Amino acid sequence: AQSVTQLDSQVPVFEEAPVELRCNYSSSVSVYLFWYVQYPNQGLQLLLKYLSGSTLVESINGFEAEFNKSQTSFHLRKPSVHISDTAEYFCAVSRSNAGGTSYGKLTFGQGTILTVHP
Amino acid sequence: GAVVSQHPSWVICKSGTSVKIECRSLDFQATTMFWYRQFPKQSLMLMATSNEGSKATYEQGVEKDKFLINHASLTLSTLTVTSAHPEDSSFYICSARDDRQGRSYEQYFGPGTRLTVT
Repeated sequence: AQSVTQLDSQVPVFEEAPVELRCNYSSSVSVYLFWYVQYPNQGLQLLLKYLSGSTLVESINGFEAEFNKSQTSFHLRKPSVHISDTAEYFCAVSRSNAGGTSYGKLTFGQGTILTVHP
Repeated sequence: GAVVSQHPSWVICKSGTSVKIECRSLDFQATTMFWYRQFPKQSLMLMATSNEGSKATYEQGVEKDKFLINHASLTLSTLTVTSAHPEDSSFYICSARDDRQGRSYEQYFGPGTRLTVT
């Protein structure tokens, strides 16, 4: 089984400041890693994902995350945040070699609420 | 593309009645859909995997007879909460896995349904 821990339930920052949202996972098998964002009153949207290859992955809106296998982490970073980045962010994992009914099943972390202040 | 809708967005029902929630993939086919439950300030918990044309696979601890899932077509899955009780009040979220080649690892989430049982 997999588990995901997001170490911070809430992260307040000022606009244009850098931010890091932490995510650690536990799994006995290889995994895919995801970050989802949930804006108020909206569904979850995929922000970025790590499947294989380069351990540093980027999103179109300036976020990046780095897969660190030795530390079992997938922290999300942005060098300069905007007010519009205010949302809840979820880290998730799924087994990379799952088959049958296990394929695609996501295990989520508890979520981190990012609040960007002007 | 890749939009998932849920209906209704919120519903209030009396204890003992049943409520049906629909999940639709609007511009893609989804052989597999997932149903999650989210409690306030907590993460998403997978309830069941819905497979088109076959029985749903429920996670441990989820009552099959209480949460009936029907995946009647490649674009529609329904979750029926039978004999609802106040403790069933929650935010229910569905996701659909894209069947298109090369995208099967991606899930697209609906906006969620807020159920309140009085």
